[in-house]
Amino acid sequence: EAQVTQNPRYLITVTGKKLTVTCSQNMNHEYMSWYRQDPGLGLRQIYYSMNVEVTDKGDVPEGYKVSRKEKRNFPLILESPSPNQTSLYFCASSGNPLGEQYFGPGTRLTVT
Amino acid sequence: TQLLEQSPQFLSIQEGENLTVYCNSSSVFSSLQWYRQEPGEGPVLLVTVVTGGEVKKLKRLTFQFGDARKDSSLHITAAQTGDTGLYLCAGVSRTGNQFYFGTGTSLTVIP
Repeated sequence: EAQVTQNPRYLITVTGKKLTVTCSQNMNHEYMSWYRQDPGLGLRQIYYSMNVEVTDKGDVPEGYKVSRKEKRNFPLILESPSPNQTSLYFCASSGNPLGEQYFGPGTRLTVT
Repeated sequence: TQLLEQSPQFLSIQEGENLTVYCNSSSVFSSLQWYRQEPGEGPVLLVTVVTGGEVKKLKRLTFQFGDARKDSSLHITAAQTGDTGLYLCAGVSRTGNQFYFGTGTSLTVIP
């Protein structure tokens, strides 16, 4: 089954404690992306990757890091999480040229 | 920077009514997509429009891409309770490497 998986689905952490949210896709897609979703703001792109070892900042990259060492994986790293990073996070993948995005189930992060 | 503005933000209608959701921008996009999102899930693609002026129909849903490829609309005829959800438009940049999502329209269809 074609899918994007994210882990964990829910995470509560404290300010400053480094965390990683994993994302994996099994569709051999070149393009992968991370978004955060906040009420009234829709989905905002954090980082995207056009292919292995190629990553670029989206609209809201501050406080986040990503890596793309393998085509299927695109982890999101928060080196020092802060409360304003409390949000619902989605990973997505797409073929190239950009077409339909397939989204993961989401990770709800709370930073206290 | 929010490149795409959707209106209305919230919409509550009776089953059987018609509705239109708008997605507007000052930027030109190479294509525009509409997604629907259910609570607790990721967005799912409904349609992609590519050509300025293009109209696509998906059963009771009609999608239109503006002539200048800056705006789009989604019209639902005879809404059903199953149409309830968050509707998101997304533009693909002209460079073809980024997606920009709209602010979203939360639709509730009351039986």
